[in-house]
Amino acid sequence: AQSVSQHNHHVILSEAASLELGCNYSYGGTVNLFWYVQYPGQHLQLLLKYFSGDPLVKGIKGFEAEFIKSKFSFNLRKPSVQWSDTAEYFCAVRGNFNKFYFGSGTKLNVKP
Amino acid sequence: KAGVTQTPRYLIKTRGQQVTLSCSPISGHRSVSWYQQTPGQGLQFLFEYFSETQRNKGNFPGRFSGRQFSNSRSEMNVSTLELGDSALYLCASSLELGAGEKLFFGSGTQLSVL
Repeated sequence: AQSVSQHNHHVILSEAASLELGCNYSYGGTVNLFWYVQYPGQHLQLLLKYFSGDPLVKGIKGFEAEFIKSKFSFNLRKPSVQWSDTAEYFCAVRGNFNKFYFGSGTKLNVKP
Repeated sequence: KAGVTQTPRYLIKTRGQQVTLSCSPISGHRSVSWYQQTPGQGLQFLFEYFSETQRNKGNFPGRFSGRQFSNSRSEMNVSTLELGDSALYLCASSLELGAGEKLFFGSGTQLSVL
């Protein structure tokens, strides 16, 4: 069965630190990959997505993610986090039969 | 443009009861999907509807059902509630049914089963 693993459940960083959130999925076919973010008190919203082409995708607010097919990974990165990046981040995979699979989420707390 | 609207915002029920949750998608969106969110479990896919037809279904028991109306509004029903059904139920809409479609989420309905 398909699954999505987010290795870090809770990350605490200081402002200006670099961020990398891990995401691994188990699915052998063609996949579409997403990162969604939920800021405190707000709806889940799309941060970035990968369908095909350049494996390095850029999203909103300076975030980027790299799809490494051989490692079944889609890690999220940001060179320098801000306090406003405090949120919960969800990795998602949409593979065969168009079912969405979400990870359990990573709570990021950025200290000012 | 109004976002995805879910009602009610909060629900408290007791075991054995049934509940119906409602979702109004963004105007013009034809696909609606439902998710169960619990702490530590993330979002688990329940089902997806497009043009009044269920297109995909997650691994939930038959107590969980849904439907979509001709105006794309959707309802989700849970019968014979169990304590473990306590969760935030999220609805999301998208323009079309497709693997690459961006999901727009509602605020969710927080269901507590006592």
